[in-house]
Amino acid sequence: DAGVTQSPTHLIKTRGQHVTLRCSPISGHKSVSWYQQVLGQGPQFIFQYYEKEERGRGNFPDRFSARQFPNYSSELNVNALLLGDSALYLCASSRPGQGFGETQYFGPGTRLLVL
Amino acid sequence: DAKTTQPTSMDCAEGRAANLPCNHSTISGNEYVYWYRQIHSQGPQYIIHGLKNNETNEMASLIITEDRKSSTLILPHATLRDTAVYYCILNDYKLSFGAGTTVTVRA
Repeated sequence: DAGVTQSPTHLIKTRGQHVTLRCSPISGHKSVSWYQQVLGQGPQFIFQYYEKEERGRGNFPDRFSARQFPNYSSELNVNALLLGDSALYLCASSRPGQGFGETQYFGPGTRLLVL
Repeated sequence: DAKTTQPTSMDCAEGRAANLPCNHSTISGNEYVYWYRQIHSQGPQYIIHGLKNNETNEMASLIITEDRKSSTLILPHATLRDTAVYYCILNDYKLSFGAGTTVTVRA
């Protein structure tokens, strides 16, 4: 079975531009979470979506937005890019309904470089 | 914010067991203890999780103390491919990663 897939794998943008990152969850998984990992740090939670609704949001500015589609895939959008947005963006999928203790499975990530 | 405390780094000899400690003294009754690892520049890989009983799978064993305030991940026979950053996380729908433990397995 295919795992979580993300596209593109690498991306270079300039300050002020916007970017869209894509994620396809594991088949049967209905929840998608996004994380940002800056070099040298652990991943930081950005969003979680379940059944197209935002279930949780981390401490990120409104420049970050996301959505989930009927097929449970998801997009992360970042507007007005800053140099500090350079990071590895990770998507994880899970099969919700368990409340606490949902196992999240991660994709390989999209590495974004903002110049 | 991460609610767990782990040593910054540890070394392990190839073929020996690696015991990774984690403190989570503020754990609530319905929070699971999860372990992930991340090999350089890859997405985190799920290892194992537990609530209050000890757990074992093909990758590792998880020992949780009776008061649930600490746990230990055991890699029974470490190999060079186990070199990674290991994260101990309390899962309350979102994963709050700390700095993790950098484990280096040496030949």
